Amino acid sequence: DGGITQSPKYLFRKEGQNVTLSCEQNLNHDAMYWYRQDPGQGLRLIYYSQIVNDFQKGDIAEGYSVSREKKESFPLTVTSAQKNPTAFYLCASSDSGGRGRKNIQYFGAGTRLSVL
Amino acid sequence: GQSLEQPSEVTAVEGAIVQINCTYQTSGFYGLSWYQQHDGGAPTFLSYNALDGLEETGRFSSFLSRSDSYGYLLLQELQMKDSASYFCAVFSPWGNTPLVFGKGTRLSVIA
Repeated sequence: DGGITQSPKYLFRKEGQNVTLSCEQNLNHDAMYWYRQDPGQGLRLIYYSQIVNDFQKGDIAEGYSVSREKKESFPLTVTSAQKNPTAFYLCASSDSGGRGRKNIQYFGAGTRLSVL
Repeated sequence: GQSLEQPSEVTAVEGAIVQINCTYQTSGFYGLSWYQQHDGGAPTFLSYNALDGLEETGRFSSFLSRSDSYGYLLLQELQMKDSASYFCAVFSPWGNTPLVFGKGTRLSVIA
């Protein structure tokens, strides 16, 4: 089955610790995205990548880092510089998009990060 | 900047029809999408409008008016399982982010 796999489902971070959230897709999509969702809020874009070895900051990139070494993988690191990391993190992928294409995003099941 | 406005909560009766509105301000516009998210789950794509008019997919329909920067999602024959959050999202290639989401409308379907 094609889809997006995020792991772990739950993650706990200690003060001063960096943690990495995994995102893998087998949909052969060029573009991948990381969103943060806080309770009762919409999705805010952290980083996105439209091609391997390239990525762009979204609206709330501070305190986060990403890499895109393979088309299938787009891990997100929450660094110690992110002072309020408790949230639900969603990874998504899509075709590249463009005029005439829908940019339908397919989401993983999410990782819920909490601070100890 | 880019912004989308949608009501935060809507309540409707099972079997009824409900409309969720979305107004947007963006620098460039390709289309308006709608996503559904159940509590604790992942958003799933519902519909997309690039041109003015109505798109119908089963019990769900979505409408767009580009001149008014306005769209809506229409849910008919409401079922309890439709209780979820619904997000409109603008696909715009000229902003910092390709897809900008509204804050979501929480729909509660009651018996």
